[in-house]
Amino acid sequence: DAKTTQPPSMDCAEGRAANLPCNHSTISGNEYVYWYRQIHSQGPQYIIHGLKNNETNEMASLIITEDRKSSTLILPHATLRDTAVYYCFYGGSNYKLTFGKGTLLTVNP
Amino acid sequence: GAVVSQHPSWVICKSGTSVKIECRSLDFQATTMFWYRQFPKQSLMLMATSNEGSKATYEQGVEKDKFLINHASLTLSTLTVTSAHPEDSSFYICSARGPRGLAGKTDEQFFGPGTRLTVL
Repeated sequence: DAKTTQPPSMDCAEGRAANLPCNHSTISGNEYVYWYRQIHSQGPQYIIHGLKNNETNEMASLIITEDRKSSTLILPHATLRDTAVYYCFYGGSNYKLTFGKGTLLTVNP
Repeated sequence: GAVVSQHPSWVICKSGTSVKIECRSLDFQATTMFWYRQFPKQSLMLMATSNEGSKATYEQGVEKDKFLINHASLTLSTLTVTSAHPEDSSFYICSARGPRGLAGKTDEQFFGPGTRLTVL
């Protein structure tokens, strides 16, 4: 199974940027990095994915290092509703999601 | 965006009965669907992967005769928990992945809202 490393928890002030790191040192050249999150008692939600270039969508930005061994998910203006467990994955086109513990992001007022 | 629904959202049943949970992709065809379960304060655990028209592939330790999965169409998969017992009480979540060409959303999995099963 693809293995990633994330800090267990992080705190962020409301309105500030939340930067969530992920290490994926064993990623292969054709594997994408994916980020999902799970708000309490809900199904996980897709956030963003990328291969090499940085990506941005309406939810977040994804910064992938040049060697692709790590990435950072950026929520530019965190709100209380962004409090959730954030999961980082990597895989090819037929990837399976193996959930680790993720990072519990707590956005404080 | 792509929407996945689950029905029912919660169910309470007596020990020994069977419970069926439906997972539907509402606006796209799901070539692959996944079933997960989540116990309190734990991460999701993948139970099985199903491709439309073929038998499901179960993860190690998941009893295929207890958790029956049917993926008869490109928009519907069902999970039946047979002879449910209290230890089967959990949050069951499905996800669906569409074929390539889905408006740029080719590789994401879209998750349902989950079904909370309580077995008395």
